[in-house]
Amino acid sequence: DTEVTQTPKHLVMGMTNKKSLKCEQHMGHRAMYWYKQKAKKPPELMFVYSYEKLSINESVPSRFSPECPNSSLLNLHLHALQPEDSALYLCASSQASGGDQETQYFGPGTRLLVL
Amino acid sequence: AQSVTQLDSQVPVFEEAPVELRCNYSSSVSVYLFWYVQYPNQGLQLLLKYLSGSTLVKGINGFEAEFNKSQTSFHLRKPSVHISDTAEYFCAVTPGGGKLIFGQGTELSVKP
Repeated sequence: DTEVTQTPKHLVMGMTNKKSLKCEQHMGHRAMYWYKQKAKKPPELMFVYSYEKLSINESVPSRFSPECPNSSLLNLHLHALQPEDSALYLCASSQASGGDQETQYFGPGTRLLVL
Repeated sequence: AQSVTQLDSQVPVFEEAPVELRCNYSSSVSVYLFWYVQYPNQGLQLLLKYLSGSTLVKGINGFEAEFNKSQTSFHLRKPSVHISDTAEYFCAVTPGGGKLIFGQGTELSVKP
């Protein structure tokens, strides 16, 4: 089973709202990722967690705050977003680093609209 | 630094025709190579991957790709496409450490 689940599927929020995106995997993977994807573009890496510790932050604005409560769960907390933050947010996971463990499996995404 | 170039942004093809989606990469180190497919309004699905060993890699849905180290290419092929193959296809490389570097994508449009 290579399933990564994401909730919600769709989210509409105002610029003053606080919301959270949730990602879950039960494959025993120890690395989890957040990506942002704009229409007709490839995904852009935002954050990487490895063994529940933040290992990569790609200079993402502080209005995006990741959290990894345990090895199966990854959250992305959103606050004071801008309309240009509207995008598809994808979560992915991999076993860890090295060889086949690098293979990333993606969830279906959360489509976010900021008004 | 690693980079990926997908040479065609759009590839229109008729149903049951063969197709090749081209991908070239640049890297000074060994990399792992992937092809992902993204159907409309969905996430990315892994089609196939090359980590080591045989340079011809078979994936899901009848796709295959060939790793060519001398030409730094990893082209994706399918001998006969279906309408359901219409999607965006992304080639990606990783040198390790969690970073996956994507190409700009190729939109495959299969016409009846």
